[in-house]
Amino acid sequence: DQQVKQNSPSLSVQEGRISILNCDYTNSMFDYFLWYKKYPAEGPTFLISISSIKDKNEDGRFTVFLNKSAKHLSLHIVPSQPGDSAVYFCAAAPGTYKYIFGTGTRLKVLA
Amino acid sequence: DTGVSQDPRHKITKRGQNVTFRCDPISEHNRLYWYRQTLGQGPEFLTYFQNEAQLEKSRLLSDRFSAERPKGSFSTLEIQRTEQGDSAMYLCASSLDWSLAKNIQYFGAGTRLSVL
Repeated sequence: DQQVKQNSPSLSVQEGRISILNCDYTNSMFDYFLWYKKYPAEGPTFLISISSIKDKNEDGRFTVFLNKSAKHLSLHIVPSQPGDSAVYFCAAAPGTYKYIFGTGTRLKVLA
Repeated sequence: DTGVSQDPRHKITKRGQNVTFRCDPISEHNRLYWYRQTLGQGPEFLTYFQNEAQLEKSRLLSDRFSAERPKGSFSTLEIQRTEQGDSAMYLCASSLDWSLAKNIQYFGAGTRLSVL
């Protein structure tokens, strides 16, 4: 039972364009969400988070949007750079300790 | 480097052997987490510690698995009588206490276990 879903296993985008990564969740009680980026042979690195009291959070080139009614969040990367090529994981933090991760989306930014 | 460190990075073992992994968290972090990641999946929560107390264990953590954090600093994860299904990346993370405004988990690079 996958409570956090990333339905696109991979995405290719041209350098300079927008990358949009999507994530859906099933439990309306989830109130905090995070995005992590993972390069090969490294652990996941925190990118950006959002609380359910907001619908948008920005940090430089990265913006996360949350649509609570649709139980959907998305990560926008503008402009995309080749160094952004990595696997991106969406995670929900339903309580005070564990994260529930999606299966990840592999982003490839083409130069 | 003051991030989360894990040792070893890779472990190859034969079925039935015991293995132990070590995690050193970020020094001021009092929470420590273990996750497991298999191919094509995201990390799955196994267990976590607040200081030296183990407060939650996932049902994924069978009785062959045991984790300790003896002095509230580093942690070990031991798998007894390994099975091929235990082959995975074992990730450790640490964080400050949740009561703070921003409680982000910081991950180590993981220990990749291969059971032959």
